[in-house]
Amino acid sequence: AQKVTQAQTEISVVEKEDVTLDCVYETRDTTYYLFWYKQPPSGELVFLIRRNSFDEQNEISGRYSWNFQKSTSSFNFTITASQVVDSAVYFCALSHRQGAQKLVFGQGTRLTINP
Amino acid sequence: EPEVTQTPSHQVTQMGQEVILRCVPISNHLYFYWYRQILGQKVEFLVSFYNNEISEKSEIFDDQFSVERPDGSNFTLKIRSTKLEDSAMYFCASSVGTGGLNTEAFFGQGTRLTVV
Repeated sequence: AQKVTQAQTEISVVEKEDVTLDCVYETRDTTYYLFWYKQPPSGELVFLIRRNSFDEQNEISGRYSWNFQKSTSSFNFTITASQVVDSAVYFCALSHRQGAQKLVFGQGTRLTINP
Repeated sequence: EPEVTQTPSHQVTQMGQEVILRCVPISNHLYFYWYRQILGQKVEFLVSFYNNEISEKSEIFDDQFSVERPDGSNFTLKIRSTKLEDSAMYFCASSVGTGGLNTEAFFGQGTRLTVV
């Protein structure tokens, strides 16, 4: 069975601090995809990144970076120099490759950036 | 930029009534999905739909639920007889495909269903 665990329920930091959101996953599939989605207070789900299981290269996009470590089944997300607009709930998700896509989401981490 | 559109944004219904949630996926996408999020909880998969049939469904998606693509653009979720526990945000999503570079699912803004 597939499972995603986001152990941090809530994180609160002061603006400009760096913050890392943890994600640990479980799967028996050898090929799978990992995702991060942002859910701002308005409620929609905003896609941030997709990673496949064969690509362990870390990725940086502006202030966002992702660290994929297969050895520890983790896909952590770091926001550098956080801003108030980063305040949201962040979800990590996992899907298997075969068949129709079915995302398994973690419980989410509520991130609050205080001015 | 193309987006998934859901209507209505908020629906209030009485317990036992039927509701239809509507979605217009991105036009060149072939795979469609419904997810739900009970307030304050994680997002849960309900069903996936491809080539005019259900390709996968979760245990949540029981006989009270059905999906349909009535024309070339809409994708609907029907709940036959709503229960209080059906109150949630329902998200529609679509993707071009399911493998390689096409696994990214784009989500709509959600429909908040409140059953009273």
